Amino acid sequence: SQTIHQWPATLVQPVGSPLSLECTVEGTSNPNLYWYRQAAGRGLQLLFYSVGIGQISSEVPQNLSASRPQDRQFILSSKKLLLSDSGFYLCAWSVSAASSYNEQFFGPGTRLTVL
Amino acid sequence: QKEVEQNSGPLSVPEGAIASLNCTYSDRVSQSFFWYRQYSGKSPELIMSIYSNGDKEDGRFTAQLNKASQYVSLLIRDSQPSDSATYLCAVNLLNYGGSQGNLIFGKGTKLSVKP
Repeated sequence: SQTIHQWPATLVQPVGSPLSLECTVEGTSNPNLYWYRQAAGRGLQLLFYSVGIGQISSEVPQNLSASRPQDRQFILSSKKLLLSDSGFYLCAWSVSAASSYNEQFFGPGTRLTVL
Repeated sequence: QKEVEQNSGPLSVPEGAIASLNCTYSDRVSQSFFWYRQYSGKSPELIMSIYSNGDKEDGRFTAQLNKASQYVSLLIRDSQPSDSATYLCAVNLLNYGGSQGNLIFGKGTKLSVKP
């Protein structure tokens, strides 16, 4: 069965500090991978998605970036955090087949507080 | 702007009653529809997927889809206090902003089941 991991689970960072969040998926090959942010009182916002190694699409312009160095690894980064970057960061995966209905499965999330 | 709308609630039902959650979407070409359950402080969990008009039942859950009216609903029979959570509706959009296969989420309906 497939498993998705995220770390760290919680993070408190000062404004202006860098960020690196990691997501890994087990039990599947060539998944589509996604980064979402859920801010307090707001819906899920898609930040980045990837259909393969090195292939990243950005949905929202911001000070965040994403990378996919390995098939089942997805990293979210920032060089300088803003207060507005606080939120619950969720990684998700889906089957990449063209016939897929795009069911997405979420990891446990990272709760980021920027002070 | 493609949107998914849900009543934010809270929706309060007594234990054993039927909870009815509704969702409307704006994009007529949407193909796949999902319901996620999110407990407070946790990540969303996929509980139902539906792709064609009509009803789909899974245990105490029934998803209903009406593409002509552009709504999808979730019925929870014999509601239990453990069903208390926020329920997110998600719609798979095709050719959204040039991308394919991205989900758009509603902001969720908070359900409270009273013992």
